[in-house]
Amino acid sequence: DTGVSQNPRHKITKRGQNVTFRCDPISEHNRLYWYRQTLGQGPEFLTYFQNEAQLEKSRLLSDRFSAERPKGSFSTLEIQRTEQGDSAMYLCASSPRLYTGELFFGEGSRLTVL
Amino acid sequence: KNEVEQSPQNLTAQEGEFITINCSYSVGISALHWLQQHPGGGIVSLFMLSSGKKKHGRLIATINIQEKHSSLHITASHPRDSAVYICALNYGGSQGNLIFGKGTKLSVKP
Repeated sequence: DTGVSQNPRHKITKRGQNVTFRCDPISEHNRLYWYRQTLGQGPEFLTYFQNEAQLEKSRLLSDRFSAERPKGSFSTLEIQRTEQGDSAMYLCASSPRLYTGELFFGEGSRLTVL
Repeated sequence: KNEVEQSPQNLTAQEGEFITINCSYSVGISALHWLQQHPGGGIVSLFMLSSGKKKHGRLIATINIQEKHSSLHITASHPRDSAVYICALNYGGSQGNLIFGKGTKLSVKP
């Protein structure tokens, strides 16, 4: 399967711990997006990469959050000193080099902070 | 006031019924997306529209830019169509910063 892959699918952690999520986009998709979705709500934009460059960041992305895409392929989203309010589904999406507008989403990584 | 509003929030239909989900928005947009989210979280992109109408199988999406309104129609609905349908907006030239609606939860009964 060559879709967008996210790992881990589910992470349970204690408050104050750091967590990292990984997203592997579809091969040769140069655009990669991170979104966060809390229960009963639509997703919210977090950040966007074109190749390795982080072009947009939401104000939701506090200084505890950092995202990287070091070689323009996979991306990581790290949350430091997790808080219970960070509990959410973290979604990754990618889109092709020639931007058609269509987004291809991964299955998401669900974070539970106890 | 939210920039994008979907209606209804919840919808229950019998198999075979024609379904309409509405999306109204208040900002200028460059495109509108319809997305489908199944239990467990996976999201599938159904349509991206900037004008007019698109059709794919039993799904039809329309947009009226002047009225700032879009609809998603499902003909001959089936229980496998049960999912949350989300409207999302591209605005201000931003290619990644979508504004998402809260979604419409559709349940199709056999």
